[in-house]
Amino acid sequence: GAGVSQTPSNKVTEKGKYVELRCDPISGHTALYWYRQSLGQGPEFLIYFQGTGAADDSGLPNDRFFAVRPEGSVSTLKIQRTERGDSAMYLCASSLTSGSPEQYFGPGTRLTVT
Amino acid sequence: GIQVEQSPPDLILQEGANSTLRCNFSDSVNNLQWFHQNPWGQLINLFYIPSGTKQNGRLSATTVATERYSLLYISSSQTTDSGVYFCAAEEYGNKLVFGAGTILRVKS
Repeated sequence: GAGVSQTPSNKVTEKGKYVELRCDPISGHTALYWYRQSLGQGPEFLIYFQGTGAADDSGLPNDRFFAVRPEGSVSTLKIQRTERGDSAMYLCASSLTSGSPEQYFGPGTRLTVT
Repeated sequence: GIQVEQSPPDLILQEGANSTLRCNFSDSVNNLQWFHQNPWGQLINLFYIPSGTKQNGRLSATTVATERYSLLYISSSQTTDSGVYFCAAEEYGNKLVFGAGTILRVKS
């Protein structure tokens, strides 16, 4: 079956602009995660959804970052007033349920803020 | 929270050689995964292994949960094995904590 998909694959935006990154999880997976990976580092957790609700948003760096998952499937990560330091690879993952923790990752969105 | 350390940070191998990558974690875990990150940035699942031993072709992994470490073995390495290998552990709450990775280069 299809894996996790993310769009766009690349996004270049100017400092101060608003961006949305989309994640489509594996069909039937109720848990969805966002991570951010800076160059030369491992991914870092941002937020976790179980169904429609954000179960843990402790990794969001500040209030410019927000994520939604209104119907319990597709999720959108929203970044307001982008800064150059937001440039990174944004990775989405999904897992079957919170009781089946193996996570499967999408191809990522590479965000560049100029 | 849990801390994850990987070693070595870099490894250069001649094609055909074997290697062992290590992952230490600071607390008991519900989940331990090994990934290979391809040149385009996608994380490819290698093993889900919170405990025990698994094998998949030339790759195998062992996690000794009581001693808080996991090992990834690569046998008869090929140039296509090159890339970054990540270990990630979940302590609670489903979020994975990643190590800094091991950069593997296999030379022909």
